[in-house]
Amino acid sequence: DVKVTQSSRYLVKRTGEKVFLECVQDMDHENMFWYRQDPGLGLRLIYFSYDVKMKEKGDIPEGYSVSREKKERFSLILESASTNQTSMYLCASSPGQGGTYNEQFFGPGTRLTVL
Amino acid sequence: SQQGEEDPQALSIQEGENATMNCSYKTSINNLQWYRQNSGRGLVHLILIRSNEREKHSGRLRVTLDTSKKSSSLLITASRAADTASYFCATPYSGTYKYIFGTGTRLKVLA
Repeated sequence: DVKVTQSSRYLVKRTGEKVFLECVQDMDHENMFWYRQDPGLGLRLIYFSYDVKMKEKGDIPEGYSVSREKKERFSLILESASTNQTSMYLCASSPGQGGTYNEQFFGPGTRLTVL
Repeated sequence: SQQGEEDPQALSIQEGENATMNCSYKTSINNLQWYRQNSGRGLVHLILIRSNEREKHSGRLRVTLDTSKKSSSLLITASRAADTASYFCATPYSGTYKYIFGTGTRLKVLA
């Protein structure tokens, strides 16, 4: 069974704090993704990584950075959390082979509240 | 915005009825996928329809794809209370692994 785990289900942080969201997958997938989900807006891609140390910006990268030092782990960093970053954050992974026929496997999500 | 538009935004039906939800994009569609999300959880892949297919079935799911209209529909037949969830379409940006998700349809099936 493919498993994607996220470090926290719920997180409450204060404005200005540096926030780390961790994601680990156990299927040796090349691709990993960070999305945020807001009501009425669906999922929006923040960052994407197709290999260790490789990353690409998604649609809404402002205010975020990422780190992928190991294949199984993809971290999302909020350098200085703001209230408009209150959201559900979803991590996903997919194999590199097979191209866009591959499904993405999602973690359970982290609901982040910034006060 | 590159988001896919889904309609209806919300749908409430009785158990046993069919549920249809639609998805449309402004960009070209490739290999469209449908996902399901139970409340407060991650997404789970349901079905993939390739860009050269027009219709695909999987159990009680029927998906159609019209690449000329840049749209797709998901039909769930004989719905059950357990089908209550949000449903999202997703298609990759041309030539990349990045996906554009739809805005989602919230389905409620009443027992």
